Amino acid sequence: SQQGEEDPQALSIQEGENATMNCSYKTSINNLQWYRQNSGRGLVHLILIRSNEREKHSGRLRVTLDTSKKSSSLLITASRAADTASYFCAPQTGANNLFFGTGTRLTVIP
Amino acid sequence: DAGVIQSPRHEVTEMGQEVTLRCKPISGHDYLFWYRQTMMRGLELLIYFNNNVPIDDSGMPEDRFSAKMPNASFSTLKIQPSEPRDSAVYFCASSSPRGGPRDTEAFFGQGTRLTVV
Repeated sequence: SQQGEEDPQALSIQEGENATMNCSYKTSINNLQWYRQNSGRGLVHLILIRSNEREKHSGRLRVTLDTSKKSSSLLITASRAADTASYFCAPQTGANNLFFGTGTRLTVIP
Repeated sequence: DAGVIQSPRHEVTEMGQEVTLRCKPISGHDYLFWYRQTMMRGLELLIYFNNNVPIDDSGMPEDRFSAKMPNASFSTLKIQPSEPRDSAVYFCASSSPRGGPRDTEAFFGQGTRLTVV
């Protein structure tokens, strides 16, 4: 299977806390992407990390990639109620297609 | 650019009827993807096109499903005949500006919520 598997399936935290979501995959990749989906909307791209990178930052987001373990993590620092959404990882192989898992549903409680 | 545009946003149809979902990708993008999302199965890749040519349709569930991309600015996903288990949200996405890097982000439309009764 080429898709990523997110863990945990659901996460509930208080506003201001950090949220960490994990992704595992099985194939060799060119890059790994994280997306966010608000209820009833399409997915929105958050960040892309290439296979030769180990860590990447974008605002309150921090992504790590460990190709030896075939895993990635997404950290959202100082969470806000507006961060409530589902988060998906998508490992991308050379074929340019994107396979998604079932996502992590994050709830940030005000 | 207005982004990826899908129509209709909502579709309710009776079992056995033909359903056509439409997608206009971002201008200049080489790749177009069709996904289906349900609570039980998550987000499934049905088919994707490169330069209007279908590359991988192994995710298409049955022969009742077909997809076309007659030109670079339009694609359709057709279900004929439709069944209640086809009820889902169908997303179209596009990526890879022509002449640019291959591994880029995908841009999603707002989806079509299909209900088959």
